[in-house]
Amino acid sequence: KAGVTQTPRYLIKTRGQQVTLSCSPISGHRSVSWYQQTPGQGLQFLFEYFSETQRNKGNFPGRFSGRQFSNSRSEMNVSTLELGDSALYLCASSLDRAGANVLTFGAGSRLTVL
Amino acid sequence: GENVEQHPSTLSVQEGDSAVIKCTYSDSASNYFPWYKQELGKRPQLIIDIRSNVGEKKDQRIAVTLNKTAKHFSLHITETQPEDSAVYFCASYRVGGTSYGKLTFGQGTILTVHP
Repeated sequence: KAGVTQTPRYLIKTRGQQVTLSCSPISGHRSVSWYQQTPGQGLQFLFEYFSETQRNKGNFPGRFSGRQFSNSRSEMNVSTLELGDSALYLCASSLDRAGANVLTFGAGSRLTVL
Repeated sequence: GENVEQHPSTLSVQEGDSAVIKCTYSDSASNYFPWYKQELGKRPQLIIDIRSNVGEKKDQRIAVTLNKTAKHFSLHITETQPEDSAVYFCASYRVGGTSYGKLTFGQGTILTVHP
């Protein structure tokens, strides 16, 4: 059974550019969550999608957005990149059923903003 | 909002010793507490979790205890091995609420096991 797949694994952008990251969840998982990991702030929740609907959102500016497709694959976008957006962006999927809400993480997309 | 405090931030032990990491949460409605291990350059991986209807759970050398009254939970690793060296994160979650997908993580503990 394939795990959570994130692409690209590494990318370098410059300030002001925008970036799109992709996440394919474990087959059968319909909930996809996104997290930002930095040395200073740790793991911070960005948003969660289920059945193409955003059900929850963390405290990030509107430059951070996402979407989910009918096959449960998800993308997140960051516009007008800032130096502080350099981070590891982690995607996690879950079954989202009662008692089965364990999050499984992907390997992440490491974004460097120059 | 929910806050999770994790201590210590770094922990150094000799191989074979035990290691204990403690977390305190603020939201009394939290009812699911996973622990993740993240090796350098790798993804966080779930190593054990506990739900609020039990006080302790064990899986081989790893155990987690939960004290709902005091709102804290702890990870215990016995007979540590060098491959246990990693960053460990505790987290809290409210199952059944509207916190969809939102785990609140502690700041992490860097565990180093010396051979």
